[in-house]
Amino acid sequence: DIVLTQSPDYLAVSLGERATINCKTSQSVLYSPDNKNYFAWYQQKPGQPPKLLIYWASTRESGVPDRFSGSGSGTDFTLTISSLQAEDVALYYCQQYHDRPHTFGQGTKLEI
Amino acid sequence: QVQLQESGPGLVKPSETLSLTCTVSGGSISSYFWSWIRQSPEKGLEWIGFIHYSGRTDYNPSLKSRVTISVDMSKKQLSLILSSVTAADTAVYYCARPYDVGDDLAYDIWGQGTLVTVSS
Repeated sequence: DIVLTQSPDYLAVSLGERATINCKTSQSVLYSPDNKNYFAWYQQKPGQPPKLLIYWASTRESGVPDRFSGSGSGTDFTLTISSLQAEDVALYYCQQYHDRPHTFGQGTKLEI
Repeated sequence: QVQLQESGPGLVKPSETLSLTCTVSGGSISSYFWSWIRQSPEKGLEWIGFIHYSGRTDYNPSLKSRVTISVDMSKKQLSLILSSVTAADTAVYYCARPYDVGDDLAYDIWGQGTLVTVSS
C-alpha cells in the first residue's frame, strides 16, 4: 500500500495568515501516460464526512474558495490556505488514488 | 443533486456479520464506481472497496477475505457485508462516489456516515 504521511499533525495559525500542510507519499503518484498526479485533499469538520477540496493535486473542486490551493508532484504535496478564515478550522486529509487500495494520510488538525 | 444515505445496525456482536446499505437519491447509479470507506480513531480513513454498476468489484486486500459489496439497481442501493467482525471494525462507515465516471478518482459525494460499534 502507498503510505501517506502528513505534517504537521497539528497547526495553529492566526486569522488572515497563511496555513501550509504537507503530505508525502511512499511512492510516486504521478501517472506518466497522462502526466497527472492521482492525489487529493479533503476537509473534515466534526460530525461531517470529508469534503473534497482539491483533486489532481492542484484542481480546485467547484465551490471551494480560491484561498485554498494545492501544489506538488510525484511524492511531495502541499495544501495552502492563503488567508485563514474562522470557518477553515477543521481536519485536513490527503489521499492518493493512483493505486488500490486508495489510501489517506493521518490528518492534520488546523486551529486558530 | 445526488445524495447518499447509509443505514444499518449500530451495534454488532463480535464474530457476527456487519451489514449496511447505502441508498442513492437524486441521480443515477449507473456509470459510476461506488465505494465504501470507513473511519476510526485507530486506523483513520480506510478504503474498503468499490463496485461498478456492472458488478465489477475491487476490495482492500486487508479486508478482502471478509467483505462483499453488491448493488441493487432497481432499488438504487449499495450493500456492504463484513463478516467475522471484531472490535477493530468499530468505525463510521461511509459510502462515497467519485466526481466523475472512472475507477480511480477523488470522491466528491459522501453519505453522512453511520457509526457501527462491535461489542457484546
